[in-house]
Amino acid sequence: GQQLNQSPQSMFIQEGEDVSMNCTSSSIFNTWLWYKQDPGEGPVLLIALYKAGELTSNGRLTAQFGITRKDSFLNISASIPSDVGIYFCAGPLGGATNKLIFGTGTLLGVQP
Amino acid sequence: GAVVSQHPSRVICKSGTSVKIECRSLDFQATTMFWYRQFPKQSLMLMATSNEGSKATYEQGVEKDKFLINHASLTLSTLTVTSAHPEDSSFYICSARPRDRWTDTQYFGPGTRLTVL
Repeated sequence: GQQLNQSPQSMFIQEGEDVSMNCTSSSIFNTWLWYKQDPGEGPVLLIALYKAGELTSNGRLTAQFGITRKDSFLNISASIPSDVGIYFCAGPLGGATNKLIFGTGTLLGVQP
Repeated sequence: GAVVSQHPSRVICKSGTSVKIECRSLDFQATTMFWYRQFPKQSLMLMATSNEGSKATYEQGVEKDKFLINHASLTLSTLTVTSAHPEDSSFYICSARPRDRWTDTQYFGPGTRLTVL
């Protein structure tokens, strides 16, 4: 079945550094979604991508929809302590189900 | 916009009791809501898809008689964990897909932490 693999699994950086994480799929997606989850909270939508090659920003966050439609990247510039959390990519399973499949997650730690 | 609430945020119950969790879309209508379960340090696992006015669709391995889902209106879905046992302890999260949008975007509630003693 479809799988979304995220890398790295975790990363710990210094405040002010830039961060890059990616999500790859074994099959094509028509939409890529990036969520952030704080401990004990539900995921919050950060960026939605709808077209191959699309580059979209949300403040210090930038995400790109890969040309092959099998991957996506999320970059965070000038990280701050509140960026700490787990970042998930997600994509629709397709058909009439409206279901999403979630990636394995990337845990980000930011040292002040 | 696109706010989803869950109630309660945290519940502790005795083994054998039933627990109801509510999921509401506050500022939009949702014909489809989803229920997820998340174990520590793991990703979200879809349990079921809740469609307004019809029966829920459960994922493989999820017992429909144990996890009762009702989607009574365009803004409310409920998940009832029946005869709860300690292994049902988990973080339950709902999401809602806006009715009037063509995208697959889902908006999530804050989650409910269930602890069964």
